[in-house]
Amino acid sequence: RKEVEQDPGPFNVPEGATVAFNCTYSNSASQSFFWYRQDCRKEPKLLMSVYSSGNEDGRFTAQLNRASQYISLLIRDSKLSDSATYLCVVLYNQGGKLIFGQGTELSVKP
Amino acid sequence: EAGVTQSPTHLIKTRGQQATLRCSPISGHTSVYWYQQALGLGLQFLLWYDEGEERNRGNFPPRFSGRQFPNYSSELNVNALELEDSALYLCASSLPGKLQETQYFGPGTRLLVL
Repeated sequence: RKEVEQDPGPFNVPEGATVAFNCTYSNSASQSFFWYRQDCRKEPKLLMSVYSSGNEDGRFTAQLNRASQYISLLIRDSKLSDSATYLCVVLYNQGGKLIFGQGTELSVKP
Repeated sequence: EAGVTQSPTHLIKTRGQQATLRCSPISGHTSVYWYQQALGLGLQFLLWYDEGEERNRGNFPPRFSGRQFPNYSSELNVNALELEDSALYLCASSLPGKLQETQYFGPGTRLLVL
């Protein structure tokens, strides 16, 4: 079983749609959680951290459920520029390494 | 403020050769991390350096090694290159102190082994 698992993609949605990505992690000792975005052949860029209370940044909302070891990302009013691969990322407190999910590809169409 | 920089951007080697990849962290960041992203695979953690010391390494053979210099820049060395080492190698850096600090990535070095 992979340490971080994400919804398989790709997600093809029209502009303006709401799309949700899900992610589960296997290690209950995980301490920090993030969503990164990676455009084709570019480096990952931090989209947002994920907090236990849930957090929102504009059109993006992230949720964390520690009991279920589940993370989600909701994108409202999708834009063409949201097309990218979204990576669910977990940081273990011991070791400093980020554990990445395989990523979910999003394609927003006009 | 300059981000994480990496060099070279592209590197072509043949099997058995050695490759050296370089990374300069964001100013003020003391931790440097190396990741490998092979085609069709997710990012895999390679190494973590902090204050010049190797703090952790991923499940990679010993021919993957590196070091961190007093100015916090870092090198990743891959010896006895194999075809499957072809990948995008990403360096990230973070602030000192808390392990929960966000990691910021450089643009990567694309290594092709022929």
